[in-house]
Amino acid sequence: AQTVTQSQPEMSVQEAETVTLSCTYDTSESDYYLFWYKQPPSRQMILVIRQEAYKQQNATENRFSVNFQKAAKSFSLKISDSQLGDAAMYFCAYLGGGGANSKLTFGKGITLSVRP
Amino acid sequence: NAGVMQNPRHLVRRRGQEARLRCSPMKGHSHVYWYRQLPEEGLKFMVYLQKENIIDESGMPKERFSAEFPKEGPSILRIQQVVRGDSAAYFCASSPLAGGYTFGSGTRLTVV
Repeated sequence: AQTVTQSQPEMSVQEAETVTLSCTYDTSESDYYLFWYKQPPSRQMILVIRQEAYKQQNATENRFSVNFQKAAKSFSLKISDSQLGDAAMYFCAYLGGGGANSKLTFGKGITLSVRP
Repeated sequence: NAGVMQNPRHLVRRRGQEARLRCSPMKGHSHVYWYRQLPEEGLKFMVYLQKENIIDESGMPKERFSAEFPKEGPSILRIQQVVRGDSAAYFCASSPLAGGYTFGSGTRLTVV
């Protein structure tokens, strides 16, 4: 079974600075997808960024980028130029290569606070 | 497109009552997933349904929980004889055939 581990329960960053959130996973599959979701106090699950395992290039979405190390099974999220609105819970998630027929496996999440 | 709609947003039930949570997937999405989020935890998979079929219910508790996705109407997650431990946020997600989850805003169930 796949597992996702987020070992840091909380992190804090100064506004406009850069922060990196860590995630490791375990799988025996070669084809899969990795995600970072943001959950603000509204509870809505918001997709931040997605990475396909077969792609060597790290995904980037504006201020958000990932460092995907497939051999090390590591998938960290870097937030540049942090903004107050980035404060939220962040969840790392794994989806098997079966596409819609696979279920997402989530880590326990990390609470990010942004200091003004 | 209104997105994935869940209702109610908040639900309070007394111990022993039944809870019904509804999920209307995005237009064109025929796959529905239910997840549960306990306090300070990530989301845990419960069940995956397509229209009129349960595809994977490996995350559903064996008793008191059931789910359906009828030909017409929303998907329903039903919890019978609720207990305090059922208090959680319940999320629904939908996807088209090719994958790509969209989550609803969740239903927070409180059992008193």
